[in-house]
Amino acid sequence: DAKTTQPPSMDCAEGRAANLPCNHSTISGNEYVYWYRQIHSQGPQYIIHGLKNNETNEMASLIITEDRKSSTLILPHATLRDTAVYYCIVRAQGGSEKLVFGKGTKLTVNP
Amino acid sequence: GAVVSQHPSWVICKSGTSVKIECRSLDFQATTMFWYRQFPKQSLMLMATSNEGSKATYEQGVEKDKFLINHASLTLSTLTVTSAHPEDSSFYICSASPSTRGGGYGYTFGSGTRLTVV
Repeated sequence: DAKTTQPPSMDCAEGRAANLPCNHSTISGNEYVYWYRQIHSQGPQYIIHGLKNNETNEMASLIITEDRKSSTLILPHATLRDTAVYYCIVRAQGGSEKLVFGKGTKLTVNP
Repeated sequence: GAVVSQHPSWVICKSGTSVKIECRSLDFQATTMFWYRQFPKQSLMLMATSNEGSKATYEQGVEKDKFLINHASLTLSTLTVTSAHPEDSSFYICSASPSTRGGGYGYTFGSGTRLTVV
């Protein structure tokens, strides 16, 4: 079962920041927080991941609370192409650890 | 880097026939690959974990005799849907991660295979 809770849908205006929340209150100390997104009829795309520090890359920023029970994915300047389902997943270390997807958040970026 | 190629991207087959889907890691070796299935408007459901050189591990409720998985090399895993029926019509997706990387790296996904059984 997925260990995360996300709102089913969110809307964002083009050019504005999109902040997608995720609750993972039962996260273990060795579990990372991963974010993926899936654009319609494509395979999921890796966005970012973190353990306990905030992370930033060319796609997004990840803010993890100090108690690690929740996190927020930030798309700083959303575009129409960012419309997708965003999945927050927790996973332990290890190359063979599986990714279990929850229902995700459908983000719609409006013009 | 870390590209996963999945083939075919779509396939239509007759009921009762078998279909093979390939998943290749193009620029890395993958000891473990994963197979998912996704029905319309639903999330990805993990079907099985494919292990190079050994038997696959199937998730609860997935019929191993119907969904045959072979991981014969470090760059190729195949999923064969045997005796396909219309209810097997779905979007099948594989994923893999470089064996040499630690657990802190994400998995790369293939582009998926749309299977339609008629």
